[in-house]
Amino acid sequence: SQQGEEDPQALSIQEGENATMNCSYKTSINNLQWYRQNSGRGLVHLILIRSNEREKHSGRLRVTLDTSKKSSSLLITASRAADTASYFCATAANQAGTALIFGKGTTLSVSS
Amino acid sequence: KAGVTQTPRYLIKTRGQQVTLSCSPISGHRSVSWYQQTPGQGLQFLFEYFSETQRNKGNFPGRFSGRQFSNSRSEMNVSTLELGDSALYLCASKQGAPNYGYTFGSGTRLTVV
Repeated sequence: SQQGEEDPQALSIQEGENATMNCSYKTSINNLQWYRQNSGRGLVHLILIRSNEREKHSGRLRVTLDTSKKSSSLLITASRAADTASYFCATAANQAGTALIFGKGTTLSVSS
Repeated sequence: KAGVTQTPRYLIKTRGQQVTLSCSPISGHRSVSWYQQTPGQGLQFLFEYFSETQRNKGNFPGRFSGRQFSNSRSEMNVSTLELGDSALYLCASKQGAPNYGYTFGSGTRLTVV
């Protein structure tokens, strides 16, 4: 069964706006990762946050993690048309940080 | 450096046949994982190999198998194909330490007819 569940399932915004996606998971984790996928191709790793971290930034991305609520959020600031993609959260529960469990993803559409 | 390479990109097979997919990880990456992606079930973990040993396995029937060679290249095999095996199969590799993300290949699109 899916570990992570993203919310919303779909999001449509204008260029320049911010996009926020949320992820919930069920069990304790080693880390949580966010990936982007364009049109059914391979996934691109965006950012990883460890279970003992609360917030992390990478360029226009900001990820938060609340282990007490078993939830995470991904914020993309100043969105661009090129950000149009599906975004997945994935959790790694084992010590090796492998065997990722993915959510069903949020489809983001950014229009110019 | 070169990314994760998966071959072939597209494959059409008939029910009952078997198929082998190949994956070449990033040089130096010893952990290789396979995932199945379908519209209905999403991304599901198949198995992970590390130093030629299967370290983790997802909840898939025994028809799905894999292996890893000494150069870290990996193959997965699906025997007695079913229509429901039609999917995008993704290979991913990472460094051995826990807190590194995966680099994914572009996938092999398998269609079973």
